[in-house]
Amino acid sequence: GESVGLHLPTLSVQEGDNSIINCAYSNSASDYFIWYKQESGKGPQFIIDIRSNMDKRQGQRVTVLLNKTVKHLSLQIAATQPGDSAVYFCVPINAGKSTFGDGTTLTVKP
Amino acid sequence: NAGVTQTPKFQVLKTGQSMTLQCAQDMNHEYMSWYRQDPGMGLRLIHYSVGAGITDQGEVPNGYNVSRSTTEDFPLRLLSAAPSQTSVYFCASSYSRGGEHEQFFGPGTRLTVL
Repeated sequence: GESVGLHLPTLSVQEGDNSIINCAYSNSASDYFIWYKQESGKGPQFIIDIRSNMDKRQGQRVTVLLNKTVKHLSLQIAATQPGDSAVYFCVPINAGKSTFGDGTTLTVKP
Repeated sequence: NAGVTQTPKFQVLKTGQSMTLQCAQDMNHEYMSWYRQDPGMGLRLIHYSVGAGITDQGEVPNGYNVSRSTTEDFPLRLLSAAPSQTSVYFCASSYSRGGEHEQFFGPGTRLTVL
């Protein structure tokens, strides 16, 4: 089965700085990847996705990079804001099935 | 659209009781899933369905049953509740079309088993 590991369980950044959250996955057959944000007491919320045939995708203030050779993804958040404080999950999708790891807790200091 | 709705929001059970967590979606999505999330951890897949009449086990299926008689509804049944099933339960629905895949989560049900 798939396993997902985030390189750091917690990350603390200063407001206005850029944040980078890293993720490693195990199953090379995963064909789609989604980054979710989960705020306290809420369900996960979709941030950005990337297909396995891409190596970069940009959204509003967020960029996801995919390196299939080493099975690694990263989520970059530009100009991090206090509202970005949450737990972030990278989720590989394989045949419609998703696998969550334990997430990285991002704390933004004002 | 209401999206994904879950009821109840909170529930307290005694060991051995049974109950059903309800989940409904109005987006005509083919995929639906149930996850549990224990404190400080990620979500673990309990059961999932790729369409009406089709269900399959996820990572932690023991102690739970599901059925998918309609596209809209995907109830999760706890047959005989145990304290180890104390958790937050999330239902999700998703679609996969033209290479795009998006998953929407409900607000969760907080279950405590005494």
